[in-house]
Amino acid sequence: GAGVSQSPSNKVTEKGKDVELRCDPISGHTALYWYRQSLGQGLEFLIYFQGNSAPDKSGLPSDRFSAERTGGSVSTLTIQRTQQEDSAVYLCASSFRGGSTEAFFGQGTRLTVV
Amino acid sequence: KQEVTQIPAALSVPEGENLVLNCSFTDSAIYNLQWFRQDPGKGLTSLLLIQSSQREQTSGRLNASLDKSSGRSTLYIAASQPGDSATYLCAAYFGNEKLTFGTGTRLTIIP
Repeated sequence: GAGVSQSPSNKVTEKGKDVELRCDPISGHTALYWYRQSLGQGLEFLIYFQGNSAPDKSGLPSDRFSAERTGGSVSTLTIQRTQQEDSAVYLCASSFRGGSTEAFFGQGTRLTVV
Repeated sequence: KQEVTQIPAALSVPEGENLVLNCSFTDSAIYNLQWFRQDPGKGLTSLLLIQSSQREQTSGRLNASLDKSSGRSTLYIAASQPGDSATYLCAAYFGNEKLTFGTGTRLTIIP
């Protein structure tokens, strides 16, 4: 597709369950970012990929969060043993070469933990 | 600490007026600054990207400026329309491989 695609668009899960969020970046973009936006809050950086490598994992909130990227393309953000405070919109972005180039965002995945 | 601030948090203006949104950042060693809009329940739409070597960028009714020495960027919207109502976010790249976002200005254009 022409833009960044995220799936699912909405996810409701029970506390304690694991969830996987998917991001398909723009074709040819080497950099990929995950951000989290909680209700009424700003964007919180989670993780950055350059190719398949994640040089900066400092933003992941806890060891329940992990992310991977395969083939320099699709990325998956996994949250294990979800908690209610994990409820937020998870946004993915990609850019051609990284921070010096324009970033494009997907529509986000709204995660609700009940 | 590298921070980005947007004031005010909310702004309402009558349709047709020109307006300016403000963005401040703490580190003058900025590489670039990007402006986004976010509609309710949606993702972010990129509006303009200004490199540190540039002073301004224009796209249609939008004009963004960057002043590294004062740590400020502005987004000028000409002849505002109800469709411009959204939250506007600025994000700075300080060379640490992530965008640092402000908390946004929620703009309402009154018909």
